[in-house]
Amino acid sequence: EDQVTQSPEALRLQEGESSSLNCSYTVSGLRGLFWYRQDPGKGPEFLFTLYSAGEEKEKERLKATLTKKESFLHITAPKPEDSATYLCAVGRNRDDKIIFGKGTRLHILP
Amino acid sequence: ETGVTQSPTHLIKTRGQQVTLRCSSQSGHNTVSWYQQALGQGPQFIFQYYREEENGRGNFPPRFSGLQFPNYSSELNVNALELDDSALYLCASSNGGGLHTEAFFGQGTRLTVV
Repeated sequence: EDQVTQSPEALRLQEGESSSLNCSYTVSGLRGLFWYRQDPGKGPEFLFTLYSAGEEKEKERLKATLTKKESFLHITAPKPEDSATYLCAVGRNRDDKIIFGKGTRLHILP
Repeated sequence: ETGVTQSPTHLIKTRGQQVTLRCSSQSGHNTVSWYQQALGQGPQFIFQYYREEENGRGNFPPRFSGLQFPNYSSELNVNALELDDSALYLCASSNGGGLHTEAFFGQGTRLTVV
């Protein structure tokens, strides 16, 4: 069964303390892997799409990487405004269904 | 902010009733996907519409149905509401009918069934 597992469920960091969020996936025929940021009560905000193993993308303090089994979202020197839930999702080749993980709740303390 | 708008933002319905949620896609986008997000969970794919045709469906019963209009806006209809239907309903807009393009979400409609 296709699935996406994110870890940890929640993470508290001090401002400036770098860390990584993990997204492990099992899917037959990966079409793309997506990272989103979601603030409370709002819709997900698109961050990155990764298509193949070895691919990396960066945006400000965030960097996403992809292997054949997992993706990492690295956060460098985070600030309190980076606090949010980060969602990982995969799309598969055989249809247009997107499967989301449950997300990682990130809290950056000032 | 994305150009995807959803209405209404909040809604309270009674069990057994029917509800219609609306979504206006971003300019230039021809694909709309709908998701259900329960509290503390990731979004669950309901279905996708591409150029007015259903183009993929998740594990939701037939009482969840939808439409896409010629201007690519969309509706989600839910019949015979159940308490478990209480959730944030999200609409995502993209271009191309597949996943090689980014999808942009609206702010969601919070549905409460009592």
